[in-house]
Amino acid sequence: DGGITQSPKYLFRKEGQNVTLSCEQNLNHDAMYWYRQDPGQGLRLIYYSQIVNDFQKGDIAEGYSVSREKKESFPLTVTSAQKNPTAFYLCASSGDRVGTQPQHFGDGTRLSIL
Amino acid sequence: KNEVEQSPQNLTAQEGEFITINCSYSVGISALHWLQQHPGGGIVSLFMLSSGKKKHGRLIATINIQEKHSSLHITASHPRDSAVYICAVQGGGADGLTFGKGTHLIIQP
Repeated sequence: DGGITQSPKYLFRKEGQNVTLSCEQNLNHDAMYWYRQDPGQGLRLIYYSQIVNDFQKGDIAEGYSVSREKKESFPLTVTSAQKNPTAFYLCASSGDRVGTQPQHFGDGTRLSIL
Repeated sequence: KNEVEQSPQNLTAQEGEFITINCSYSVGISALHWLQQHPGGGIVSLFMLSSGKKKHGRLIATINIQEKHSSLHITASHPRDSAVYICAVQGGGADGLTFGKGTHLIIQP
C-alpha cells in the first residue's frame, strides 16, 4: 500500500544536538510538507517542497533545515538553534503543486529533550 | 494570514447523537479540509471541499464560501468516532495548510 513513513516514532535529543527526522513517501507525490504540533495549538507549517531540489520556509522555519534530493524523501533536521524542539512532528504529501489534491499524512514523530 | 476558529473545543456526547463541529476562517480560500486525528497522533484526511456539500458514510461536510464557514456533521455517532477533528484551510497553490486547534470529540456508549 502507498503511504508516508515517518521514523522514528519517538526521538530523544540532548541539549545542543542536531537530530534528523525521516519522511519517505511512495505515492509519487510532488509536494511534501513538515508540520509541528504543540499541545493546545493547531499544526504549524515548518517547511514545504513542491519539487525536487526546491523548498520554501513556512511560518516557523527558524531552527530547522530540510533537503529534497529525491522525490520520495524530505528529511527534517532540528538544529541546536531551535530553542524549544519538544513537539510532535508530522510529514505530509500532496499529489500536485497547485493545491487541488488532499494532503496525506504520516503517523508522526514525537521529539523530546533529555 | 488566515485565522481558523473551531467550535466547540471539546464535545462529549452519547452514542447515537447527531454531532456538529463548526469552522470559520477569515480570508478567502481555495479549499477547506476536515481531518481526523486519533490518540496515536496519525492524521487521516476526511474531506477536501471548495463548495457545497460532501458525504461519506455517516460523515457530512458543508461549506459556505460567502460566510467563510464550514460544518462537519456525524450522524448516528459511535464510540469509534472519538477523536480530534481538525479544520484546515488552503490558500492558492500548494504552499501548506492553516489549521484550527481541533475539536476533541468523545462519544460515550
